[in-house]
Amino acid sequence: RKEVEQDPGPFNVPEGATVAFNCTYSNSASQSFFWYRQDCRKEPKLLMSVYSSGNEDGRFTAQLNRASQYISLLIRDSKLSDSATYLCVVVPFSGGYNKLIFGAGTRLAVHP
Amino acid sequence: DGGITQSPKYLFRKEGQNVTLSCEQNLNHDAMYWYRQDPGQGLRLIYYSQIVNDFQKGDIAEGYSVSREKKESFPLTVTSAQKNPTAFYLCASSIGQTSTNEKLFFGSGTQLSVL
Repeated sequence: RKEVEQDPGPFNVPEGATVAFNCTYSNSASQSFFWYRQDCRKEPKLLMSVYSSGNEDGRFTAQLNRASQYISLLIRDSKLSDSATYLCVVVPFSGGYNKLIFGAGTRLAVHP
Repeated sequence: DGGITQSPKYLFRKEGQNVTLSCEQNLNHDAMYWYRQDPGQGLRLIYYSQIVNDFQKGDIAEGYSVSREKKESFPLTVTSAQKNPTAFYLCASSIGQTSTNEKLFFGSGTQLSVL
């Protein structure tokens, strides 16, 4: 089983739709979680951190479920500019170097 | 503007050739990293450096080498021992490694292909 798993998609949705991605992780001791956005052949950019209580940033909502070991990203009112690959990132309890574990990403395509 | 600069954007390697990817940052970050990204896979850590003159192997270091002679620079050499070098290479930096919540700053990447 991969350490971090994501549905590769693509998710094809019309503008204005609500779309949700899930990401599961295998290490129950993982302590930090992030969503990054990556456009084709560009560098990943931090979208948001994921906190235990859930957090929202405009149209984006991130949730963490430690019991079931998954995190989610909800995008409301999708825009064409949201088209990208969304990477789930998990930081296990390493006690040492900053070892981020990246999922393979979920591709989102928003169409008019 | 502060940031990370990777060069070149595209690089071609011939059989048996060593090539070096450049990574420079002016963010005054202590920690720097090299990742490899293949289609359909997550980023995998090649090497990382916590401080000048020190670096550690990541998960897929075989066939690669690095140096960290200056805080600003962390070049990656893809040696002829790396049999499958075609990939998108990303350099990143962070302030340090004292916190697992530290944000990574990425360069714009280098696409390496084999001729």
